[in-house]
Amino acid sequence: DQQVKQNSPSLSVQEGRISILNCDYTNSMFDYFLWYKKYPAEGPTFLISISSIKDKNEDGRFTVFLNKSAKHLSLHIVPSQPGDSAVYFCAALDMRFGAGTRLTVKP
Amino acid sequence: NAGVTQTPKFRILKIGQSMTLQCAQDMNHNYMYWYRQDPGMGLKLIYYSVGAGITDKGEVPNGYNVSRSTTEDFPLRLELAAPSQTSVYFCASSLFRETDTQYFGPGTRLTVL
Repeated sequence: DQQVKQNSPSLSVQEGRISILNCDYTNSMFDYFLWYKKYPAEGPTFLISISSIKDKNEDGRFTVFLNKSAKHLSLHIVPSQPGDSAVYFCAALDMRFGAGTRLTVKP
Repeated sequence: NAGVTQTPKFRILKIGQSMTLQCAQDMNHNYMYWYRQDPGMGLKLIYYSVGAGITDKGEVPNGYNVSRSTTEDFPLRLELAAPSQTSVYFCASSLFRETDTQYFGPGTRLTVL
């Protein structure tokens, strides 16, 4: 029972372009979401979060959008940099994580 | 300030053996968590603790046990290891609640043969 889904296992973008990572959830009770970034052989690190009272949260190059009616959130990275190459996990309250999307940013 | 530390980094076990994965944090966080990550999958919560002496099951607790005798330490015990427990295990902590930012350790890669 996957309540948090990241349907794209991988994404490749050119340096300087926008990266858009998507996440869907099934439980309408979820009201807080987090994005974590993970490099190989390291633990995940927190990136950005959003509460359901907002539909957008921005932190530098990273913006998360929440569409409650569609039960969908997305992480936008603009501009993308090679150092952003990592696996990105979406997580909901109740500590449920998506399967992750591997982002590769090509120079 | 070391954050969240985990030992060992790697371990190979034989079927039926037991071991304890150690986790410690020095941030005085109340909440601590154990996750496992299987290849191509997200993190699955095994157990969590909201404070010393209090633990609760997560999504995949079978085959594991935990204890929380101090705020700092949250060991995970595997009894009778099985190949299905081959995974990377992450410990994490957060200050007050699960919506707080979780800080993760570097992980323990466990193989059961």
